[in-house]
Amino acid sequence: GDSVTQMEGPVTLSEEAFLTINCTYTATGYPSLFWYVQYPGEGLQLLLKATKADDKGSNKGFEATYRKETTSFHLEKGSVQVSDSAVYFCAAGSARQLTFGSGTQLTVLP
Amino acid sequence: GAVVSQHPSRVICKSGTSVKIECRSLDFQATTMFWYRQFPKKSLMLMATSNEGSKATYEQGVEKDKFLINHASLTLSTLTVTSAHPEDSSFYICSARDGRGKDTQYFGPGTRLTVL
Repeated sequence: GDSVTQMEGPVTLSEEAFLTINCTYTATGYPSLFWYVQYPGEGLQLLLKATKADDKGSNKGFEATYRKETTSFHLEKGSVQVSDSAVYFCAAGSARQLTFGSGTQLTVLP
Repeated sequence: GAVVSQHPSRVICKSGTSVKIECRSLDFQATTMFWYRQFPKKSLMLMATSNEGSKATYEQGVEKDKFLINHASLTLSTLTVTSAHPEDSSFYICSARDGRGKDTQYFGPGTRLTVL
């Protein structure tokens, strides 16, 4: 089955720093790729998604590009804010079945 | 759009009692709902997939008699933890599949279960 490997955290950055969280996947076929964000005590919110190779998902200043050649979907943001502090999950699959990475805790300091 | 609610958000119960958690899709019909369990600082573990009007499909290692799932309508699925024990304490999250166009899973806010 599919598997997702995510950069281990925790990641601590200063406000306005550049963020990269690495994510790679293995899958049979061509899954859709997702980034979800979880704020403390809450469920997961879909942050962005990409459904095919070279697609770029973007939302709230975050971006990730579906790279088939490197089987990657790295999350980036040019300037993080304190409010971005959360756990970020990479996932692969479809709406029928998702496989999640282990999550990366991000803390942004003022 | 695409809002999923869960109730209750927190529940504390005594060992041996049963607890029911509701998951509702508020503004769309969900033919499929999913139940996940999340341990502290860990990823989500899929417990079961439920389709409206049929029996749930459980993942390997999940006791179907302990975690009863009912998906009675296109907007409601329930998870009942029967004869709960302290090791069942966890964060339970449901999601609902929105099959309209975007075909995405939308997640509920989660339920924190503590079994004393």
